[in-house]
Amino acid sequence: DAGVTQSPTHLIKTRGQQVTLRCSPKSGHDTVSWYQQALGQGPQFIFQYYEEEERQRGNFPDRFSGHQFPNYSSELNVNALLLGDSALYLCASSLASGSGETQYFGPGTRLLVL
Amino acid sequence: SQQGEEDPQALSIQEGENATMNCSYKTSINNLQWYRQNSGRGLVHLILIRSNEREKHSGRLRVTLDTSKKSSSLLITASRAADTASYFCATRTGGFKTIFGAGTRLFVKA
Repeated sequence: DAGVTQSPTHLIKTRGQQVTLRCSPKSGHDTVSWYQQALGQGPQFIFQYYEEEERQRGNFPDRFSGHQFPNYSSELNVNALLLGDSALYLCASSLASGSGETQYFGPGTRLLVL
Repeated sequence: SQQGEEDPQALSIQEGENATMNCSYKTSINNLQWYRQNSGRGLVHLILIRSNEREKHSGRLRVTLDTSKKSSSLLITASRAADTASYFCATRTGGFKTIFGAGTRLFVKA
């Protein structure tokens, strides 16, 4: 049973560039949430996707956008990168028809913006 | 601002001792969860306690919830070196947004 996978594991970008991060949910899961975790902090909710739609968003600017595909995998796009976007980006999947509260996390993508 | 705040920020104990971490939150919740994170990797779900529950056990873990004080505690009994990690409480107040605290960093010395 494959767990949540994310790619790439590490990424280095420069200010102003754009980045796309990818996530495949746990087998059988249909909901994907994205989080940003700065060093020494807890994860911050970016948004959640279900049925290919963003159904809730956290306090993040429009530079952060996402997409969910028919196979439930998801992408996180960040435009016009800032130094402050350097963080660990975590993807979590869950099952909408279940309790939905228990999330399974991927290993994360560590993004460094120079 | 974060909904949950863990206390202490860091905790260092000897193997075999118990570790207690506390979490306080600000608004009414549907449930509260505890997660573990090893060395900046993905989070692992430990236990979920609903707002109408007061205590829950899972192996060496014991979680309590006091909704009147808006607080929860996580007790790890007979700690092992492998328990060294960061522990986060997370709450859902409604909708689909999960809010995490800043975490407690636990170090268990062998």
